[in-house]
Amino acid sequence: EAGVAQSPRYKIIEKRQSVAFWCNPISGHATLYWYQQILGQGPKLLIQFQNNGVVDDSQLPKDRFSAERLKGVDSTLKIQPAKLEDSAVYLCASSLGGTGGFQETQYFGPGTRLLVL
Amino acid sequence: AQSVAQPEDQVNVAEGNPLTVKCTYSVSGNPYLFWYVQYPNRGLQFLLKYITGDNLVKGSYGFEAEFNKSQTSFHLKKPSALVSDSALYFCAVRDESWGKLQFGAGTQVVVTP
Repeated sequence: EAGVAQSPRYKIIEKRQSVAFWCNPISGHATLYWYQQILGQGPKLLIQFQNNGVVDDSQLPKDRFSAERLKGVDSTLKIQPAKLEDSAVYLCASSLGGTGGFQETQYFGPGTRLLVL
Repeated sequence: AQSVAQPEDQVNVAEGNPLTVKCTYSVSGNPYLFWYVQYPNRGLQFLLKYITGDNLVKGSYGFEAEFNKSQTSFHLKKPSALVSDSALYFCAVRDESWGKLQFGAGTQVVVTP
């Protein structure tokens, strides 16, 4: 079974530029998550989708970050404009999204490492 | 709000010796507890989870964890460490009042030959 796919793996941009990350979850997984992992810290949830609807985006900096999952499968996370403090690894995860709810295991992709100069 | 503490930034152990990585948590409701491992330049890999039932949970690669409700702990253990177990380990907790999966800061495990 294929895992969670993410691209690109690495990205270097100048501050105030824009950047986009792509994620394709495990086939059949209805729930998709985007996390930000700053060096030396654990991942922090940015946004959670159930199919193509947003479940939780309370920790997403909405003035500069946006995400969509239009067809309920793959997803894109965008930063515009980027700041120095956005340098981090952006992880995508997915889970079945069934009746398991909060008990469900989240499966993570390899991440996109972003460096903002 | 919920929280997770991993009190050790790094754990050093000789190959063949027992490995323990500590985790304590704070939640409002019943906790769902997870352990993940992260190798360099890779995503998080699921090891095991506690939902309910038996306090001793067995997971991948010979790892196990013990849930202790009175001490609000969920320590990860392996009876005999391998050099290949050297990685960054994350404990995480989720409950129905907060909803989000909350991660600890991680513990770097170094296993020497």
